[in-house]
Amino acid sequence: DAKTTQPNSMESNEEEPVHLPCNHSTISGTDYIHWYRQLPSQGPEYVIHGLTSNVNNRMASLAIAEDRKSSTLILHRATLRDAAVYYCIPQTGTYKYIFGTGTRLKVLA
Amino acid sequence: GAVVSQHPSRVICKSGTSVKIECRSLDFQATTMFWYRQFPKQSLMLMATSNEGSKATYEQGVEKDKFLINHASLTLSTLTVTSAHPEDSSFYICSARVSLNTEAFFGQGTRLTVV
Repeated sequence: DAKTTQPNSMESNEEEPVHLPCNHSTISGTDYIHWYRQLPSQGPEYVIHGLTSNVNNRMASLAIAEDRKSSTLILHRATLRDAAVYYCIPQTGTYKYIFGTGTRLKVLA
Repeated sequence: GAVVSQHPSRVICKSGTSVKIECRSLDFQATTMFWYRQFPKQSLMLMATSNEGSKATYEQGVEKDKFLINHASLTLSTLTVTSAHPEDSSFYICSARVSLNTEAFFGQGTRLTVV
Protein backbone atom coordinates (compact mmCIF):
# COMPACT_ATOMS: atom_id res chain seq x y z
CA ASP A 1 0.00 0.00 0.00
CA ALA A 2 1.22 3.50 -0.81
CA LYS A 3 2.36 5.33 2.32
CA THR A 4 0.89 8.78 2.96
CA THR A 5 2.06 11.68 5.07
CA GLN A 6 -0.38 14.36 6.19
CA PRO A 7 -0.08 17.05 8.86
CA ASN A 8 -1.75 15.98 12.09
CA SER A 9 -3.76 19.16 12.33
CA MET A 10 -4.44 22.46 10.61
CA GLU A 11 -6.45 25.56 11.40
CA SER A 12 -8.28 27.91 9.14
CA ASN A 13 -10.44 30.97 9.54
CA GLU A 14 -14.01 30.76 8.36
CA GLU A 15 -14.62 31.97 4.80
CA GLU A 16 -10.95 31.57 3.89
CA PRO A 17 -9.43 28.96 1.56
CA VAL A 18 -7.75 25.90 3.03
CA HIS A 19 -5.02 23.87 1.41
CA LEU A 20 -4.62 20.39 2.88
CA PRO A 21 -1.41 18.69 1.69
CA CYS A 22 -0.65 15.00 1.31
CA ASN A 23 2.57 13.27 0.34
CA HIS A 24 2.27 9.87 -1.30
CA SER A 25 5.73 9.35 -2.74
CA THR A 26 5.34 5.57 -3.22
CA ILE A 27 2.25 5.86 -5.36
CA SER A 28 2.19 3.90 -8.61
CA GLY A 29 1.14 5.19 -11.98
CA THR A 30 -2.38 3.80 -11.94
CA ASP A 31 -3.33 4.61 -8.34
CA TYR A 32 -6.20 7.04 -8.03
CA ILE A 33 -5.90 9.54 -5.18
CA HIS A 34 -9.01 9.73 -3.03
CA TRP A 35 -9.95 12.18 -0.30
CA TYR A 36 -12.53 11.53 2.38
CA ARG A 37 -13.49 13.38 5.51
CA GLN A 38 -15.01 12.24 8.76
CA LEU A 39 -17.01 14.20 11.28
CA PRO A 40 -17.19 12.92 14.87
CA SER A 41 -19.28 9.78 15.33
CA GLN A 42 -20.09 9.55 11.63
CA GLY A 43 -18.92 7.43 8.74
CA PRO A 44 -16.47 9.04 6.31
CA GLU A 45 -17.80 11.19 3.51
CA TYR A 46 -16.41 11.13 -0.03
CA VAL A 47 -14.84 14.44 -1.04
CA ILE A 48 -13.05 14.01 -4.35
CA HIS A 49 -10.71 11.75 -6.30
CA GLY A 50 -8.46 11.97 -9.33
CA LEU A 51 -5.62 10.33 -11.25
CA THR A 52 -3.43 12.91 -12.96
CA SER A 53 -5.28 16.08 -13.78
CA ASN A 54 -6.60 18.56 -11.32
CA VAL A 55 -10.21 17.86 -10.40
CA ASN A 56 -13.04 20.08 -9.25
CA ASN A 57 -16.43 19.34 -7.80
CA ARG A 58 -18.97 21.20 -5.71
CA MET A 59 -17.16 20.40 -2.48
CA ALA A 60 -13.52 20.96 -3.28
CA SER A 61 -10.66 20.96 -5.76
CA LEU A 62 -7.86 18.46 -5.96
CA ALA A 63 -4.47 19.59 -7.21
CA ILE A 64 -2.18 16.70 -8.13
CA ALA A 65 1.53 17.30 -8.56
CA GLU A 66 2.99 16.51 -11.97
CA ASP A 67 5.06 13.66 -10.53
CA ARG A 68 1.97 12.50 -8.56
CA LYS A 69 4.00 12.17 -5.39
CA SER A 70 1.84 14.73 -3.63
CA SER A 71 -1.58 16.26 -3.83
CA THR A 72 -3.45 19.12 -2.20
CA LEU A 73 -7.11 19.26 -1.31
CA ILE A 74 -8.44 22.79 -1.62
CA LEU A 75 -11.53 23.99 0.19
CA HIS A 76 -12.24 27.34 -1.43
CA ARG A 77 -14.14 28.91 1.47
CA ALA A 78 -14.01 27.03 4.73
CA THR A 79 -17.14 26.91 6.84
CA LEU A 80 -17.65 25.61 10.35
CA ARG A 81 -19.23 22.50 8.83
CA ASP A 82 -15.92 21.69 7.15
CA ALA A 83 -14.28 20.96 10.50
CA ALA A 84 -13.42 17.28 10.25
CA VAL A 85 -10.58 14.79 9.85
CA TYR A 86 -9.48 14.69 6.22
CA TYR A 87 -7.95 11.52 4.83
CA CYS A 88 -5.85 11.25 1.69
CA ILE A 89 -5.97 7.69 0.30
CA PRO A 90 -3.99 6.58 -2.73
CA GLN A 91 -5.90 3.60 -3.99
CA THR A 92 -3.37 0.84 -4.57
CA GLY A 93 -3.40 -2.07 -6.95
CA THR A 94 -5.50 -3.99 -4.45
CA TYR A 95 -8.19 -1.32 -4.87
CA LYS A 96 -8.74 -1.09 -1.13
CA TYR A 97 -9.17 2.12 0.86
CA ILE A 98 -6.57 2.14 3.62
CA PHE A 99 -6.96 5.03 6.03
CA GLY A 100 -3.96 6.75 7.57
CA THR A 101 -4.10 9.17 10.48
CA GLY A 102 -5.43 12.08 8.45
CA THR A 103 -5.42 15.83 9.14
CA ARG A 104 -7.76 17.29 11.72
CA LEU A 105 -9.03 20.59 10.36
CA LYS A 106 -10.22 23.18 12.80
CA VAL A 107 -12.21 26.10 11.43
CA LEU A 108 -12.24 29.25 13.49
CA ALA A 109 -15.29 31.51 13.46
CA GLY B 1 -23.85 11.33 -3.53
CA ALA B 2 -25.00 7.74 -3.31
CA VAL B 3 -26.46 6.46 -0.06
CA VAL B 4 -25.25 3.59 2.07
CA SER B 5 -27.47 2.70 5.00
CA GLN B 6 -26.21 0.84 8.01
CA HIS B 7 -28.42 -0.76 10.64
CA PRO B 8 -28.54 -0.62 13.58
CA SER B 9 -26.80 2.65 14.37
CA ARG B 10 -26.29 1.60 17.96
CA VAL B 11 -26.47 -1.77 19.71
CA ILE B 12 -25.74 -3.08 23.17
CA CYS B 13 -25.36 -6.80 23.64
CA LYS B 14 -24.34 -9.20 26.36
CA SER B 15 -20.97 -10.86 26.35
CA GLY B 16 -21.10 -14.20 24.53
CA THR B 17 -23.96 -13.32 22.21
CA SER B 18 -23.81 -12.56 18.49
CA VAL B 19 -24.72 -9.33 16.76
CA LYS B 20 -25.54 -8.77 13.09
CA ILE B 21 -24.96 -5.46 11.35
CA GLU B 22 -26.52 -4.74 7.96
CA CYS B 23 -25.12 -2.54 5.23
CA ARG B 24 -27.27 -1.61 2.25
CA SER B 25 -26.52 0.43 -0.84
CA LEU B 26 -29.84 2.18 -1.41
CA ASP B 27 -29.51 3.65 -4.88
CA PHE B 28 -26.73 1.74 -6.59
CA GLN B 29 -25.43 -1.77 -7.01
CA ALA B 30 -22.23 -2.39 -5.10
CA THR B 31 -19.86 -4.94 -6.54
CA THR B 32 -17.57 -4.51 -3.54
CA MET B 33 -18.25 -3.71 0.08
CA PHE B 34 -15.77 -3.05 2.86
CA TRP B 35 -16.00 -3.38 6.62
CA TYR B 36 -14.00 -1.21 9.00
CA ARG B 37 -13.60 -0.91 12.73
CA GLN B 38 -12.69 2.30 14.52
CA PHE B 39 -11.64 2.66 18.14
CA PRO B 40 -11.91 6.03 19.93
CA LYS B 41 -9.44 8.65 18.70
CA GLN B 42 -8.04 6.25 16.10
CA SER B 43 -8.34 5.95 12.36
CA LEU B 44 -10.45 3.42 10.52
CA MET B 45 -8.99 -0.06 10.30
CA LEU B 46 -10.00 -2.18 7.34
CA MET B 47 -11.29 -5.56 8.46
CA ALA B 48 -12.36 -7.21 5.24
CA THR B 49 -13.33 -6.77 1.62
CA SER B 50 -16.29 -8.60 0.16
CA ASN B 51 -17.42 -9.04 -3.41
CA GLU B 52 -20.95 -10.06 -4.20
CA GLY B 53 -21.29 -13.83 -4.33
CA SER B 54 -17.73 -14.47 -3.13
CA LYS B 55 -16.12 -15.18 0.20
CA ALA B 56 -14.80 -12.15 1.99
CA THR B 57 -11.08 -11.41 2.07
CA TYR B 58 -9.95 -10.61 5.58
CA GLU B 59 -7.06 -8.36 6.56
CA GLN B 60 -4.20 -9.84 8.51
CA GLY B 61 -5.06 -10.28 12.16
CA VAL B 62 -8.83 -10.25 11.68
CA GLU B 63 -10.48 -13.50 12.75
CA LYS B 64 -12.78 -14.67 9.99
CA ASP B 65 -14.63 -17.08 12.28
CA LYS B 66 -15.40 -14.29 14.69
CA PHE B 67 -16.39 -11.65 12.16
CA LEU B 68 -18.66 -13.37 9.64
CA ILE B 69 -19.28 -11.41 6.48
CA ASN B 70 -21.96 -12.22 3.94
CA HIS B 71 -22.43 -10.33 0.68
CA ALA B 72 -25.42 -12.14 -0.76
CA SER B 73 -26.61 -9.47 -3.16
CA LEU B 74 -25.38 -6.34 -4.92
CA THR B 75 -27.11 -4.17 -2.36
CA LEU B 76 -26.64 -5.97 0.94
CA SER B 77 -23.72 -7.09 3.07
CA THR B 78 -23.87 -8.22 6.68
CA LEU B 79 -21.25 -8.43 9.41
CA THR B 80 -21.94 -10.78 12.30
CA VAL B 81 -19.82 -10.44 15.40
CA THR B 82 -19.98 -13.88 16.99
CA SER B 83 -19.49 -14.57 20.68
CA ALA B 84 -18.93 -10.90 21.32
CA HIS B 85 -16.72 -9.77 24.17
CA PRO B 86 -16.17 -6.32 25.69
CA GLU B 87 -12.99 -5.86 23.63
CA ASP B 88 -15.14 -6.08 20.48
CA SER B 89 -16.88 -2.86 21.53
CA SER B 90 -16.14 -0.41 18.74
CA PHE B 91 -17.53 1.70 15.92
CA TYR B 92 -18.12 -0.52 12.88
CA ILE B 93 -18.42 1.14 9.47
CA CYS B 94 -19.24 -0.29 6.08
CA SER B 95 -18.62 1.15 2.65
CA ALA B 96 -19.62 0.23 -0.86
CA ARG B 97 -18.54 1.07 -4.37
CA VAL B 98 -19.75 0.40 -7.86
CA SER B 99 -16.47 -0.56 -9.51
CA LEU B 100 -12.70 -0.54 -9.07
CA ASN B 101 -11.71 3.06 -9.66
CA THR B 102 -14.86 4.74 -8.39
CA GLU B 103 -15.34 6.39 -5.07
CA ALA B 104 -16.59 4.52 -2.03
CA PHE B 105 -19.63 5.58 -0.06
CA PHE B 106 -19.79 4.96 3.64
CA GLY B 107 -22.54 4.05 6.04
CA GLN B 108 -23.20 6.12 9.13
CA GLY B 109 -21.59 3.49 11.35
CA THR B 110 -22.76 1.15 14.10
CA ARG B 111 -21.63 1.67 17.65
CA LEU B 112 -21.39 -1.73 19.33
CA THR B 113 -21.14 -1.97 23.08
CA VAL B 114 -20.63 -5.39 24.63
CA VAL B 115 -21.44 -5.60 28.33
